[in-house]
Amino acid sequence: AQKVTQAQTEISVVEKEDVTLDCVYETRDTTYYLFWYKQPPSGELVFLIRRNSFDEQNEISGRYSWNFQKSTSSFNFTITASQVVDSAVYFCALSPIIQGAQKLVFGQGTRLTINP
Amino acid sequence: DTGVSQNPRHKITKRGQNVTFRCDPISEHNRLYWYRQTLGQGPEFLTYFQNEAQLEKSRLLSDRFSAERPKGSFSTLEIQRTEQGDSAMYLCASSLWGQRTPSISPLHFGNGTRLTVT
Repeated sequence: AQKVTQAQTEISVVEKEDVTLDCVYETRDTTYYLFWYKQPPSGELVFLIRRNSFDEQNEISGRYSWNFQKSTSSFNFTITASQVVDSAVYFCALSPIIQGAQKLVFGQGTRLTINP
Repeated sequence: DTGVSQNPRHKITKRGQNVTFRCDPISEHNRLYWYRQTLGQGPEFLTYFQNEAQLEKSRLLSDRFSAERPKGSFSTLEIQRTEQGDSAMYLCASSLWGQRTPSISPLHFGNGTRLTVT
């Protein structure tokens, strides 16, 4: 069975603060993908990143960075110098890699509010 | 690339009625997925297609649900004899999968169809 846990239901910070969203996953698969998606109030899920379980290199994209640690089954997401436009619900997700099917198992999401 | 398009955006129906939703994926994408999202939860996988073939259905997809992708382009999701528990956001996503070089593009989601069953 696969499971993704986002223990932080809601986070509220003041603009320009750094914020880290936690994600812990469980899987018996040896190969899998990990994802982060953003869901703004409009409802559309916006893809942020996908990592292959083979690749534990951390990644930085502008103000966003991701820390993948297989030893602790975690895939945390940090926003540096947060902005009001970052306010959204963020989902971490996991998918086995079987014939390229992306059957994502999502966490419950973390609602992030950035206050001006 | 015009993105994944879903219609209608909102649907209100009475219990027992049938409803149908449509999804138009990104044109060159050969894989199409349906997910369901209830309030305060993450999306849950329902089913997916490669071209016109439905490759897998989740146990969440009861007999009242049927999905089609007749020409390998757009897809429809029909719910028969709707129940209040069917109220949710139904999300469609598409991706490109290539067999030669197993390259898999990430899922691109549409805005969803919000179903309310009264």
